[in-house]
Amino acid sequence: NAGVTQTPKFQVLKTGQSMTLQCAQDMNHEYMSWYRQDPGMGLRLIHYSVGAGITDQGEVPNGYNVSRSTTEDFPLRLLSAAPSQTSVYFCASSYSGTSGRNEQFFGPGTRLTVL
Amino acid sequence: AQSVTQPDIHITVSEGASLELRCNYSYGATPYLFWYVQSPGQGLQLLLKYFSGDTLVQGIKGFEAEFKRSQSSFNLRKPSVHWSDAAEYFCAVTSGGSYIPTFGRGTSLIVHP
Repeated sequence: NAGVTQTPKFQVLKTGQSMTLQCAQDMNHEYMSWYRQDPGMGLRLIHYSVGAGITDQGEVPNGYNVSRSTTEDFPLRLLSAAPSQTSVYFCASSYSGTSGRNEQFFGPGTRLTVL
Repeated sequence: AQSVTQPDIHITVSEGASLELRCNYSYGATPYLFWYVQSPGQGLQLLLKYFSGDTLVQGIKGFEAEFKRSQSSFNLRKPSVHWSDAAEYFCAVTSGGSYIPTFGRGTSLIVHP
C-alpha cells in the first residue's frame, strides 16, 4: 500500500494564481482531512470529509475549496493564492468506525510558497 | 470545546538522558489520546494511543505515555534518548462520536550529542 500520497511536494505560486493540491489514499478510509502547519501554530484543520460527497469546514477554511467525488481522492483548491497561504499542507485519512479511536495517517506534505 | 496544551515549545536534552514531554487536555468526556512524531520534512506518524484500561501505554521507538485523569495529562516519556529522536512531537485528543482530533501546537525536541 502507498498509504497517503500528496502531490506536488513543493510549489511556488504568484499572488492571485490558483492551483490544486492532490491527495490520494489507498486504504479505503472514509475520513479525510486537510491541515496546514505554520511555525508555532501546530496543525490547523482546513476542511474534512467523512465520505464521498460529504465535506465540511474546519478551523481555517477561507480561501480553500474541497470536493470528494471518490473515496480515494480529496483535492484541495486554492482559488486565488495569497502570501498568507504560504505554509506546509498535510492531508490525512482514517477509518471512521469506532469513532474517535482511529489514528490519522498523514501524507508527506506539500510545501507551498506564495510570492 | 476540547483543547490540548503542550506547554513546552522546545526541549533540549543530551543523548542518553531521559525525556518527558508534557501534554494537558481539556475535555469533559473520556478522551482518546494520541502522540504523533514528525521527523524533519516528513508527515506525522503515530507513536502511541490511549483509549481505556491500563493508564501506561507503550508505543513504538521505546516511547511510553501515562494517562492521569486527575491531572488531565498524557505525558510522553522515554528513558534514554537517541539522536534520531530529534523531531517535533504532537499530542492530540478526540472523543467518542468525533472523527476530528484536536492537536497541540507541538514540542520540538533537540538532542545534543
